[in-house]
Amino acid sequence: QVKLQESGPGLVKPSGTLSLTCSVSGDSISSDYWWSWVRQPPGKGLEWIGEIYHFGSTYYNPSLESRVTISVDKSKNQFSLELKSVTAADTAVYHCARAQRERLIEYWGQGSLVTVSS
Amino acid sequence: DIQMTQSPSTLSASVGDRVTITCRASQSINRWLAWHQQKPGRAPTLLIYKASSLKSGVPSRFSGGGSGTEFTLTIGSLQPDDFAIYYCQQYSAFPWTFGQGTKVEI
Repeated sequence: QVKLQESGPGLVKPSGTLSLTCSVSGDSISSDYWWSWVRQPPGKGLEWIGEIYHFGSTYYNPSLESRVTISVDKSKNQFSLELKSVTAADTAVYHCARAQRERLIEYWGQGSLVTVSS
Repeated sequence: DIQMTQSPSTLSASVGDRVTITCRASQSINRWLAWHQQKPGRAPTLLIYKASSLKSGVPSRFSGGGSGTEFTLTIGSLQPDDFAIYYCQQYSAFPWTFGQGTKVEI
């Protein structure tokens, strides 16, 4: 069974860079899927951040595109998220996920809370 | 962006009740709609895709319907394990968007 697990710092300073990694088990990161990030600010709904295909194609939410980078590390079967110039509005639970080619999200990670605060 | 609007935001119900959640899209998404369930502190899970297809292993008391801009998720007989938050998600047009969630509580 596919499992995804987020990891990374739980606290980031304003104007800093948020970095998270998603470790994938039960599947290869080189499989025919899109590997995605979705976030959920406290008390709010879900926001799709972006996605990557194993050979490097990426798509980002236009609302975040100028600050986001998603990358893949095939040797570790992981993919990562970087969000630059963060503010308190970026405080959220960040989920990684696997989506089919038509972008149906099938599997989710439990999520990692990242707080932006000095 | 396609806006997804769920109603109600909160639904109070009892074990055994039949409950229905509605999700409306700001433009047609054909049947490219999924429903996800989220319990506190746990990963969300996919319940239904293509508006009405039940994911393998999901109890048959869950059903989905609709097309175009209006969709429903129905739980035929609410069980204790079903108290959770439910989200709709469109995967018809980029960027993929979600409803704000419906909390089903006792």
